[in-house]
Amino acid sequence: QVQLVESGGGVVQPGRSLRLSCAASGFTFSNYGMHWVRQAPGKGLDWVAVIWSDGNTKYYTDSVKGRFTISRDNSKNTLYLQMNSLRGEDTAVYYCVRVDGHFDYWGQGTLVIVSS
Amino acid sequence: DIVMTQSPDSLAVSLGERATISCKSSQSVLFSSNNKNYLAWFQQKPGQPPKLLIYWASIRESGVPDRFSGSGSGTDFTLTISNLQAEDVAVYYCQQYYSTRMYTFGQGTKVEIK
Repeated sequence: QVQLVESGGGVVQPGRSLRLSCAASGFTFSNYGMHWVRQAPGKGLDWVAVIWSDGNTKYYTDSVKGRFTISRDNSKNTLYLQMNSLRGEDTAVYYCVRVDGHFDYWGQGTLVIVSS
Repeated sequence: DIVMTQSPDSLAVSLGERATISCKSSQSVLFSSNNKNYLAWFQQKPGQPPKLLIYWASIRESGVPDRFSGSGSGTDFTLTISNLQAEDVAVYYCQQYYSTRMYTFGQGTKVEIK
């Protein structure tokens, strides 16, 4: 069965960096686009970034452009999100999501808290 | 960017009754070449990730009870929960995936039992 397991979250000071990982299993990872979606505490869903299956096409929401980088290693079945220059407003649960046209499978999420 | 607006923000419905949630997009999410609406609905319960309920505006995901149905086209969509059950208490989100450079969600609608 499809499994997406995020890791790498934690407490980080403003301005610092963090890298999230998402380990995928149960499907042919290299065939699917993958997304990161975040949810601030008590708030709604906020799309962050997408990377297409070949890893060459990437898009970001405006608030993270120039600070976050999405990447993937198809040989390791792993999705990444490098987050630099973190801000308080980046505090959220970060979900990795598989896309088959629509967003069909979500991981359980990893919590990132940006605080001094 | 395509803005998704849900209404109401919350609603309370009696067990066994119908819940109706509206979702409007700021521009059409109907792709003319395949006549598909790039609109999905998700259910999120506390402490859990969102769960896909409906895609292509009206296709129920496998395993989703048939009391959940989606309708609409273009810019106006509806999620209907018929015969509301206690386990349906959750926040529901619509999402457009028409714009492949900026995916957007509605603000969410909280469904409670009256």
